Amino acid sequence: QKEVEQNSGPLSVPEGAIASLNCTYSDRGSQSFFWYRQYSGKSPELIMFIYSNGDKEDGRFTAQLNKASQYVSLLIRDSQPSDSATYLCAVTTLNDYKLSFGAGTTVTVRA
Amino acid sequence: DAGVTQSPTHLIKTRGQQVTLRCSPKSGHDTVSWYQQALGQGPQFIFQYYEEEERQRGNFPDRFSGHQFPNYSSELNVNALLLGDSALYLCASIASTLYNEQFFGPGTRLTVL
Repeated sequence: QKEVEQNSGPLSVPEGAIASLNCTYSDRGSQSFFWYRQYSGKSPELIMFIYSNGDKEDGRFTAQLNKASQYVSLLIRDSQPSDSATYLCAVTTLNDYKLSFGAGTTVTVRA
Repeated sequence: DAGVTQSPTHLIKTRGQQVTLRCSPKSGHDTVSWYQQALGQGPQFIFQYYEEEERQRGNFPDRFSGHQFPNYSSELNVNALLLGDSALYLCASIASTLYNEQFFGPGTRLTVL
């Protein structure tokens, strides 16, 4: 079982719709959870992170964490063509310095 | 305030050669992690350097080695290159007081022929 798994893409959504991305992790000791956006040919860019159960909102992005279900999600509201990218979920555990990444989900926003 | 810089941008080598990649972290950041990202995959952790020491290492062979300098910049060295080493190599810049926030440089695209 992979440490971090993301729902397989690609995900295609119309402009203005909500894009929903899911991520599950296997290590119950995971403490911090991150979402990165990666445009084709570019490096990952940190969108947001979450530590506590519940929702965290930042502009059009909302991260949701459920540690009991070992599940973290990212919602993109009012999707724009500029949101078309690969979204990477990453986790860290206590006293562990590395980010463990999922394989990513590619999102395409149709104009 | 300069962001994370990496050099070179692209590199082409042949099997068996050696390569050195360089990274300068953001101002105020003292920790550097290196990741390898193969096409279509998420980044894989190679190692992290803090206070000029390798603090943690991922599941990579000894052909991968590194160094951190007093100014916090870092190098990644790969010996005896294999075709499978072709990937995007990413440097992540971290402030040890906020280690959860890792900011990536633009990466070095390595092609091994």
